[in-house]
Amino acid sequence: GENVEQHPSTLSVQEGDSAVIKCTYSDSASNYFPWYKQELGKGPQLIIDIRSNVGEKKDQRIAVTLNKTAKHFSLHITETQPEDSAVYFCAASVTGGGNKLTFGTGTQLKVEL
Amino acid sequence: NAGVTQTPKFRVLKTGQSMTLLCAQDMNHEYMYWYRQDPGMGLRLIHYSVGEGTTAKGEVPDGYNVSRLKKQNFLLGLESAAPSQTSVYFCASSRTSRETQYFGPGTRLLVL
Repeated sequence: GENVEQHPSTLSVQEGDSAVIKCTYSDSASNYFPWYKQELGKGPQLIIDIRSNVGEKKDQRIAVTLNKTAKHFSLHITETQPEDSAVYFCAASVTGGGNKLTFGTGTQLKVEL
Repeated sequence: NAGVTQTPKFRVLKTGQSMTLLCAQDMNHEYMYWYRQDPGMGLRLIHYSVGEGTTAKGEVPDGYNVSRLKKQNFLLGLESAAPSQTSVYFCASSRTSRETQYFGPGTRLLVL
């Protein structure tokens, strides 16, 4: 089955700096890669996703890049703000069928003032 | 439009007791999922459903059963709870197999 590895497990940045979180996946058939943000005591919330036919996607301060050859994808957050502090999860799946997500182990991002 | 809701929010069980977790969605989604979240392990899929009346096993199905009698509801049952089932359980739903999964707020379960 699919295996998703995520690094780093914790990340501390100064407000205004950029943050990068990286994930690798094992199943070359995976074609959908969402990123979720989870605040304390809440469920994961989708922040951005990318499909295998696209190499990069941006949404304001957030961007995701995908390298299918190397089987890795990354989340980039620019101009970080204190409200960006949360746990971020990457995931991978093969759409069609059950679209079963396999999650990474999460990155605790702390944005310091 | 409440999205995905979960009942209860928190529960304490004794080993061997049974319980049912309820997930409800008001978005008319076909697909529904149950995940568990444990420290340092991300979320792992327990069971899922691709439509009313269907269920299928995920990555960690042992010790759990599910039912999808109505499109809007997905029930997760523990017949004989074990301490290893102490976890936070999240339900999710999506309209199709190609679309985003939306998560509920979670149920925190403690098995003593």
